[in-house]
Amino acid sequence: NAGVMQNPRHLVRRRGQEARLRCSPMKGHSHVYWYRQLPEEGLKFMVYLQKENIIDESGMPKERFSAEFPKEGPSILRIQQVVRGDSAAYFCASHKDRDDTEAFFGQGTRLTVV
Amino acid sequence: AQSVTQLDSHVSVSEGTPVLLRCNYSSSYSPSLFWYVQHPNKGLQLLLKYTSAATLVKGINGFEAEFKKSETSFHLTKPSAHMSDAAEYFCVVSDQGFNKFYFGSGTKLNVKP
Repeated sequence: NAGVMQNPRHLVRRRGQEARLRCSPMKGHSHVYWYRQLPEEGLKFMVYLQKENIIDESGMPKERFSAEFPKEGPSILRIQQVVRGDSAAYFCASHKDRDDTEAFFGQGTRLTVV
Repeated sequence: AQSVTQLDSHVSVSEGTPVLLRCNYSSSYSPSLFWYVQHPNKGLQLLLKYTSAATLVKGINGFEAEFKKSETSFHLTKPSAHMSDAAEYFCVVSDQGFNKFYFGSGTKLNVKP
């Protein structure tokens, strides 16, 4: 079991470009969470997804950010028209199911907007 | 509402001396609590978790934490620090039902030789 895989590990985008961050949960896990870590801060919840469903997106900015977790393939966090303030580390975590309290985190994608 | 306060942003100890990282939480129900460690430019590793079983929880690498409901605390301790313990530590409380995590702002542990 390779664990939670995130790619790319590092991503540089110019202002106005799109960023796509991918997360493959652990095998057998169907619940995915995205968190954002701004410099010198803790992680902040963004969105919780199950396969083909967004369960809780209360932490997502209202504009430019979207997330999906299709039936096949990884979960994608998409940021359109990136701005400097989007520069952060984005972490994905997966749980086996809703009652499983243990989260397994990926190594994160570090997005830098120049 | 759930929240976590880590009382120290930086802690510095000498190798071989005890470690204490403080955490207070706020929760409207019986919480699940966790400590995670993050080494520079790495992901998060679970140290230990409390999920309403024994109040003294033992984790990996000699760390342990005690859940004290009356004090709403979940402090992390280790009897003897090692150089490899230098990292950032996050106290986390979980949202009931959805496993949404609320992170503290982190404590950076520095271990001096």
